[in-house]
Amino acid sequence: TQLLEQSPQFLSIQEGENLTVYCNSSSVFSSLQWYRQEPGEGPVLLVTVVTGGEVKKLKRLTFQFGDARKDSSLHITAAQPGDTGLYLCAERSNDYKLSFGAGTTVTVRA
Amino acid sequence: DVKVTQSSRYLVKRTGEKVFLECVQDMDHENMFWYRQDPGLGLRLIYFSYDVKMKEKGDIPEGYSVSREKKERFSLILESASTNQTSMYLCASSLRAQGVYEQYFGPGTRLTVT
Repeated sequence: TQLLEQSPQFLSIQEGENLTVYCNSSSVFSSLQWYRQEPGEGPVLLVTVVTGGEVKKLKRLTFQFGDARKDSSLHITAAQPGDTGLYLCAERSNDYKLSFGAGTTVTVRA
Repeated sequence: DVKVTQSSRYLVKRTGEKVFLECVQDMDHENMFWYRQDPGLGLRLIYFSYDVKMKEKGDIPEGYSVSREKKERFSLILESASTNQTSMYLCASSLRAQGVYEQYFGPGTRLTVT
């Protein structure tokens, strides 16, 4: 099972600031997913990236997949309190299963 | 709207009790999963099922069993609960289609074993 490392573990910022969280592996990702888990809820898929160098945007969220497909980042512009949550990256380990990183807990203060 | 429901949001059980956690999905998904989530450890797969009556062990199956008698329902069983099984338990489901890996999660059951 591939080990996914996420950093930082915790991030607390003021509303309106920008933030970036990272997901890294020593091995090549086949594809990578980002999920957000709000307090008291299960994770919800934000995006899937497949191609090295790929950039996807979802409103104020920008997802990048490294050229070598060993790393990915999630950048949030002008963060809002509604962005508060646990951000998880996940990689397909076989046809059925996903392997998850430990996550980054993001707190956006009003 | 797709939906995965779990029978309880919060559960408190005593050491040695048999515990059943139920999960139901209404999306006709073939695959269903049980994870536990602990701070700093992320989601760890306990068991998954790719069809009715089929099951496979995940990364941490010890102390757990599962049952899938109907396609929409997947149950996690703690035969004799122990304090180290205090955790958040998440159920998920997904389609079994090539290239489709999105998993849909329930809201979780926070289990405390005293």
